[in-house]
Amino acid sequence: SAVISQKPSRDICQRGTSLTIQCQVDSQVTMMFWYRQQPGQSLTLIATANQGSEATYESGFVIDKFPISRPNLTFSTLTVSNMSPEDSSIYLCSVTPGTGDETQYFGPGTRLLVL
Amino acid sequence: GQQLNQSPQSMFIQEGEDVSMNCTSSSIFNTWLWYKQDPGEGPVLLIALYKAGELTSNGRLTAQFGITRKDSFLNISASIPSDVGIYFCAGQGFNQFYFGTGTSLTVIP
Repeated sequence: SAVISQKPSRDICQRGTSLTIQCQVDSQVTMMFWYRQQPGQSLTLIATANQGSEATYESGFVIDKFPISRPNLTFSTLTVSNMSPEDSSIYLCSVTPGTGDETQYFGPGTRLLVL
Repeated sequence: GQQLNQSPQSMFIQEGEDVSMNCTSSSIFNTWLWYKQDPGEGPVLLIALYKAGELTSNGRLTAQFGITRKDSFLNISASIPSDVGIYFCAGQGFNQFYFGTGTSLTVIP
């Protein structure tokens, strides 16, 4: 398994500002992902964070709005840019360790409220 | 992206009762996963299934990987108040994970 931490755990932000969420894993992992979960909904994949290259975005999500970094095998950031109230959601980091463990483990999430 | 059909959407049960929920897909998956999400928390992995027909238990939880590889179920026996939460299934195929719509479980003491 993997132990995942996210910072911040929650935030309240003003419209038009940006927030960067950090995801730290206690071990090197093959895959890192970013999800959004709106209230009462399931999880929607935003992008796969690729180490050393640009993230792979899902349909409906673009790099200008959700820039992602993954400088190494244990760390990634997601930025929510130019926020609007519609961006209010839970943002979840997840990982697949690889090397025999292909399951997916989630971080505790970042609760974002945009006013 | 694709979402799996998960049912029921919600359940209200008495403490001590057994619970059953399932997920179906139009696609074949290599792995089925079941998660529980408590309010304000991230999903926590409960059971992972890797082979068609596999039946796996984790305490009072039992899950099975359907023979067709297009479905899975999760059973909870003798429910207790701390079983309250939202349960999600997830299927993995071609390095992509697809999530169910969730089952909200309420256990009445």
